[in-house]
Amino acid sequence: EVQLVQSGAEVKKPGESLKISCKGSGYSFTSYWIGWVRQMPGKGLEWMGIIYLGDFDTRYSPSFQGQVTISADKSISTAYLQWSSLKASDTAMYYCARGGYSYFLDYWGQGTLITVSS
Amino acid sequence: QSALTQPASVSGSPGQSITISCTGTSSDVGGYNYVSWYQQHPGKAPKLMIYDVTNRPSGVSNRFSGSKSGNTASLTISGLQAEDEADYYCSSYTSSTTLVVFGGGTKLTVL
Repeated sequence: EVQLVQSGAEVKKPGESLKISCKGSGYSFTSYWIGWVRQMPGKGLEWMGIIYLGDFDTRYSPSFQGQVTISADKSISTAYLQWSSLKASDTAMYYCARGGYSYFLDYWGQGTLITVSS
Repeated sequence: QSALTQPASVSGSPGQSITISCTGTSSDVGGYNYVSWYQQHPGKAPKLMIYDVTNRPSGVSNRFSGSKSGNTASLTISGLQAEDEADYYCSSYTSSTTLVVFGGGTKLTVL
């Protein structure tokens, strides 16, 4: 069974750093992409970026380029999304999802809620 | 502002059919048959409903169908049921370096 399990909710202060994770199981991790999607409270889905686990090719939405870093560790089938300095506006639910050959997202993690507040 | 344009809301009565549109450009929707649709119920993760314009993943009801004409893709739900009430998002491959673009989402209300 394909599963993506994300790390738990976080409460952080502005300026703090954070790295959240997404662990895949039940499939060949290096044959797919992992995408990250943001959903701010009461808002729609926003594409952040994607990483191919075969060669670590990484692409970012212009809105998130320079704001976050997407990475992965093949040895433990885990992808990451990290911030070096959080802002209150980063408060949102963040989803990882498996990307297929035409970049459709067929399996989703349960989401990680990030709250940034002083 | 989202790269793909969807209506903010649509509604229909049980048993009826509704269609949600998703308009892009020749660099995304119009240029490739790589449009996908997602359903999201409140408090839940999105679920893939349609991929590659017309294909349904295993387990998705055949009441859901997709199509495309030019730069506009569409999701049609026939025989509306109360459980179909949710937010729907379209997505497409894009030739830009970002690879993927989303629509702003459409709230479906079953009256």
